[in-house]
Amino acid sequence: GQNIDQPTEMTATEGAIVQINCTYQTSGFNGLFWYQQHAGEAPTFLSYNVLDGLEEKGRFSSFLSRSKGYSYLLLKELQMKDSASYLCAVRDGDYKLSFGAGTTVTVRA
Amino acid sequence: TAGITQAPTSQILAAGRSMTLRCTQDMRHNAMYWYRQDLGLGLRLIHYSNTAGTTGKGEVPDGYSVSRANTDDFPLTLASAVPSQTSVYFCASSDSSGASDTQYFGPGTRLTVL
Repeated sequence: GQNIDQPTEMTATEGAIVQINCTYQTSGFNGLFWYQQHAGEAPTFLSYNVLDGLEEKGRFSSFLSRSKGYSYLLLKELQMKDSASYLCAVRDGDYKLSFGAGTTVTVRA
Repeated sequence: TAGITQAPTSQILAAGRSMTLRCTQDMRHNAMYWYRQDLGLGLRLIHYSNTAGTTGKGEVPDGYSVSRANTDDFPLTLASAVPSQTSVYFCASSDSSGASDTQYFGPGTRLTVL
């Protein structure tokens, strides 16, 4: 099976930076995804990494190290609307997505 | 654009009854998926379809069946519901010819089996 670990909860202040780590052990690797999910809603796509390095998209950045089985999602200039669950997902050798349990981020004023 | 729609939004079902969760996408994506999401466990793949006419089993397929008669629709059927199937069900689709093959999710169906 696949093993994807991320912290359960994180809290940060509005305007601050938060880094959500994800470590994985999978059978093969064909890309890593980050999704955002607000309570009671569907997951929405944030970022995709398949090569090592940093991908930046506005206030959100995602980093991948394939040799270490490690990724992080960096949220800058936090806003109240960023309070949500963030899901790390890895596409394995069979091109199936396996998801971590998600990290709930709470942004406080 | 509608993207992916799911019906019903929520449902309470008596144990032993059957039910079909509907999923329709209008993006002409070839691949479709069904996941269940349970607290603390994350999203788990139930069944998938890489193209119309084909289906495959995911991580937790027992008690569920699917069909893919055309590109747009991918219904999920519970033949005889049990309380452990209480969950939130998400349908997703992707264009596997794309570079990232990103999956896009429907709004979900909240199912309670009593």
